[in-house]
Amino acid sequence: AQSVTQLDSHVSVSEGTPVLLRCNYSSSYSPSLFWYVQHPNKGLQLLLKYTSAATLVKGINGFEAEFKKSETSFHLTKPSAHMSDAAEYFCVVSERWGAQKLVFGQGTRLTINP
Amino acid sequence: KAGVTQTPRYLIKTRGQQVTLSCSPISGHRSVSWYQQTPGQGLQFLFEYFSETQRNKGNFPGRFSGRQFSNSRSEMNVSTLELGDSALYLCASSTLSGGGDEQFFGPGTRLTVL
Repeated sequence: AQSVTQLDSHVSVSEGTPVLLRCNYSSSYSPSLFWYVQHPNKGLQLLLKYTSAATLVKGINGFEAEFKKSETSFHLTKPSAHMSDAAEYFCVVSERWGAQKLVFGQGTRLTINP
Repeated sequence: KAGVTQTPRYLIKTRGQQVTLSCSPISGHRSVSWYQQTPGQGLQFLFEYFSETQRNKGNFPGRFSGRQFSNSRSEMNVSTLELGDSALYLCASSTLSGGGDEQFFGPGTRLTVL
């Protein structure tokens, strides 16, 4: 069975400083991994995805994540936070093959201080 | 290209009633998945349909059901509503039939059960 643990329920950073949102996963098979973002009263938007190509994945809005199989981690980073980054972030795992079924982490709420 | 649309956006029902939610996927997408989002349980997978067939189902009681039509539009039904069914119900669609594909989410239907 697959599972995802987001290590921080809430992260607060100042505008212009780096962002780190931590995610560990568990999967019996070669996983696909995603980060989604949810702004208030909005649907989920894909930030980036890992599907077995390069381990360093670049996404939209300056975000990137590194897949580390030995550590079963897929942390999300951004060099410089912007006020518009304030949102809820979800780390997600899916089986590479077979039916679509996303397993979500509990989410990390990112707050940006001016 | 239009995104995933869900109707209605908001619903208020009373306990014991039933409800039907609708989802129109992105044109050309054949896979439609449903998720429930609550503050306590987070985002949980309900079921996934591909070419009118349910391929995968989450751990929800039989009161939750769904179907997909030949045009890929999908509906989910919840019978005998309970207070705990109050949630944001999200629909997602994707192009391919395999796992690990990016899913595009709609804005959700917020269901309130009184």
